[in-house]
Amino acid sequence: EVQLVESGGGLVQPGRSLRLSCAASGFTFDDYAMHWVRQAPGKGLEWVSGISWNSGSIGYADSVKGRFTISRDNAKNSLYLQMNSLRAEDTALYYCAKAAAGQVNLFDYWGQGTLVTVSS
Amino acid sequence: EIVLTQSPGTLSLSPGERATLSCRASQSVSSSYLAWYQQKPGQAPRLLIYGASSRATGIPDRFSGSGSGTDFTLTISRLEPEDFAVYYCQQYGSSPSTFGQGTKLEIK
Repeated sequence: EVQLVESGGGLVQPGRSLRLSCAASGFTFDDYAMHWVRQAPGKGLEWVSGISWNSGSIGYADSVKGRFTISRDNAKNSLYLQMNSLRAEDTALYYCAKAAAGQVNLFDYWGQGTLVTVSS
Repeated sequence: EIVLTQSPGTLSLSPGERATLSCRASQSVSSSYLAWYQQKPGQAPRLLIYGASSRATGIPDRFSGSGSGTDFTLTISRLEPEDFAVYYCQQYGSSPSTFGQGTKLEIK
């Protein structure tokens, strides 16, 4: 059974940093691209960042480019999101999502999310 | 980036009725790389349809997708109580991948 468990969220002041983690199990982690998708309270879904199986290809939404860094550790079956210079508009539930086989930007499994609140 | 516009914003129907949800793209979606997700309150999204018309694993056949180019439709043939949720379309053929704003399907 595929499981994705996010952690690392919390309350943080504007301008500060936070690192999210996603622990994956139930599939061969290093065979698949992985993504972060966020959802602001009461709002829709927004793709944040994605990383290929070998970290050779990485992409970011314009809204986070230059502030967020995605990475993965295939030996630990883990995905990360380093978030710097956080803003109020980054407040959201952050989901870790697994890419489907053969479709790197299609999300076939999602975690339950970790909540990031940016507020003074 | 491709903008996806879903309609209606809210759809009020009764169990047993047919639901038709629309997703329109600002430009053609390459190779029909259009997906639909279902999200219930307090839960993560669940993949329903990919490639515009292929059902994901374990999805009941009352869910069907159609369309190409810029116009796509999700149809639920006979609504079950568990189908009332928010539905999102997503295009994954062009970077960045984008989502529609969602259609809330509520019980009438």
